[in-house]
Amino acid sequence: EPEVTQTPSHQVTQMGQEVILRCVPISNHLYFYWYRQILGQKVEFLVSFYNNEISEKSEIFDDQFSVERPDGSNFTLKIRSTKLEDSAMYFCASSEALLWGKDTDTQYFGPGTRLTVL
Amino acid sequence: DAKTTQPNSMESNEEEPVHLPCNHSTISGTDYIHWYRQLPSQGPEYVIHGLTSNVNNRMASLAIAEDRKSSTLILHRATLRDAAVYYCILRDKPIIQGAQKLVFGQGTRLTINP
Repeated sequence: EPEVTQTPSHQVTQMGQEVILRCVPISNHLYFYWYRQILGQKVEFLVSFYNNEISEKSEIFDDQFSVERPDGSNFTLKIRSTKLEDSAMYFCASSEALLWGKDTDTQYFGPGTRLTVL
Repeated sequence: DAKTTQPNSMESNEEEPVHLPCNHSTISGTDYIHWYRQLPSQGPEYVIHGLTSNVNNRMASLAIAEDRKSSTLILHRATLRDAAVYYCILRDKPIIQGAQKLVFGQGTRLTINP
């Protein structure tokens, strides 16, 4: 069964450093997402991406964050200057395009990247 | 997105059925009811969804009240592997085609006793 993969599984960085989290969505999916989950808290939406542009972003997704689909398979989340409060699990997800007659989609999540900012 | 209410936690025994309730009294006519779960140290995982009629798949059943103001996720025979946080999420039919976020609440933490 196809699955979403994420690398690395764990990233440790110093405050102020740039990090890039990588995701390989399911190959025929067209919608891509990043979510994060701070330890002990709920899963929070960060950004959605479709047709090479951001569809929606949350208040968390400020100028320090960016997303990119550099090629036909990868989807990346960059944090330019990490802060202590960016420490969290980051989940990538993807879903198929909504086709005629299909009113809702199913999102498939990756295993996550644990980001630790020291 | 319309709000859902779930119990914080529930407990059941292995090989017994589990009924996880969700209240969504402000649901609109075009809201789909989705259930996801998150196993320990993993990403969320789709379980099932429905609009008006009850739904079954290999993982679970979804029973939707006639007025759609509540629903129940049914695990017919719980195993230890079903211990997870279960999220009930309402998703409106999109007006235009595009990526549509999931809004997670706190969910119900399900504990399965051996």
